[in-house]
This record gives sequence, C-alpha cells and structure tokens, in this order.
Amino acid sequence: EAQVTQNPRYLITVTGKKLTVTCSQNMNHEYMSWYRQDPGLGLRQIYYSMNVEVTDKGDVPEGYKVSRKEKRNFPLILESPSPNQTSLYFCASSLYPPGANEKLFFGSGTQLSVL
Amino acid sequence: AQSVTQLDSQVPVFEEAPVELRCNYSSSVSVYLFWYVQYPNQGLQLLLKYLSGSTLVKGINGFEAEFNKSQTSFHLRKPSVHISDTAEYFCAVSDSPQKLVFGQGTRLTINP
Repeated sequence: EAQVTQNPRYLITVTGKKLTVTCSQNMNHEYMSWYRQDPGLGLRQIYYSMNVEVTDKGDVPEGYKVSRKEKRNFPLILESPSPNQTSLYFCASSLYPPGANEKLFFGSGTQLSVL
Repeated sequence: AQSVTQLDSQVPVFEEAPVELRCNYSSSVSVYLFWYVQYPNQGLQLLLKYLSGSTLVKGINGFEAEFNKSQTSFHLRKPSVHISDTAEYFCAVSDSPQKLVFGQGTRLTINP
C-alpha cells in the first residue's frame, strides 16, 4: 500500500532533550516536506526536500533540522526542543513539487508536547 | 508571496443542508489551487484541484469548487452534506513550483 509513515504518533518530552521524528514513503517520491499545524494558523511549512541531499527552509525552520540521505526517508530533528514547538507535525511527499500541480500525500501526524 | 484566507474558522450545518466554505488568495497571477480535507485523527487528503480550463472543478465525495479570477476566490461547495463530511478543510495555493501555502482551515461540523 502506498503510504507515508510517521513515527511516533504521540510524543511527550521535556525542554532541551533532543528528539527525532521519522518519516518514510514507499512511492519513490522526489519531493518531501514537513509541516506543523497549529490552531488558527493552518499548516506551515518547516523544511522541504526536492531530492536526495537537497533540502531547503520553509516558512518556520527555526529550531528544526532535516536530512535526506535516502530518497524514502526524511527525518525531522529537534536538537533542543522548547515548549513553543508543541504542535501537530505532518510529513508529506509527492512525485514532483506540489506547486507544479502535484498531489501531496500526508502521513497520519505526530502530536508533540514539549514540557 | 501568496497568502490564503479562509474566512470562516468553523461552519456548523445540519445534515442534508448545502454548505459553502470560502477561500480567497492574494495574487491574481496564474496559480494552482487545491482543497484538502482532514478527517479526525488523520492526515490531509486531496479533495480537488484547479489547474486551468473550466472554472468549476469537481472533486471526491460530491464536493465542487468554483475558481473566480476577478475575485481571487476558490470557494468549496456541496449541495447536501452528510455526517461523514465532518472534518477540517484546507484551501491551498501554489506559491512557487516548490511549495504550497495553506489557509488556516475551516472546521465543518454536521449536526443531525
């Protein structure tokens, strides 16, 4: 089954403790992206990747890192999480960049709470 | 840069009533427009998209949207809603080939 898999689904952590949210897709998609969803703000893009070893900042990249060493994986790293990073996170992928008429496929989300 | 405004944060309607969810975007240059739906505890799914051609676009689950270039709007409609349409709906516009810009979302609640 074609899908985007995120883990974990829920995560509670404390300020400053490094964490990684994994994202994997099995559709051989070139484009992958991370979003955060906050009430009243919709989805805001954190980082995106056009292909292996090619990543770029989205609208809210501060406090986050990503890597794209393999085509299928695009982990999101929070080196020193802070409470303002408490949010619902989504990974998404598409065959080609979504602004060029491509459908985005989303993971089920990761609810992160930073205490 | 593009921006998207969804004018209603919440829309309550009765079952079998019609519904319109409003979306306006900022620029009149050629864009691609999308509606995504998020059912409870799930990721987003594409509902429909406008690329060019006919201004009325039909999507899944009986939804349709009308592109209005002069008003820079892309409102989503359904003539008769069901309980299963309860979800959050996001309008999105292409800001560049590399990215979409999403609106704030509209929570559609269907009352029996």
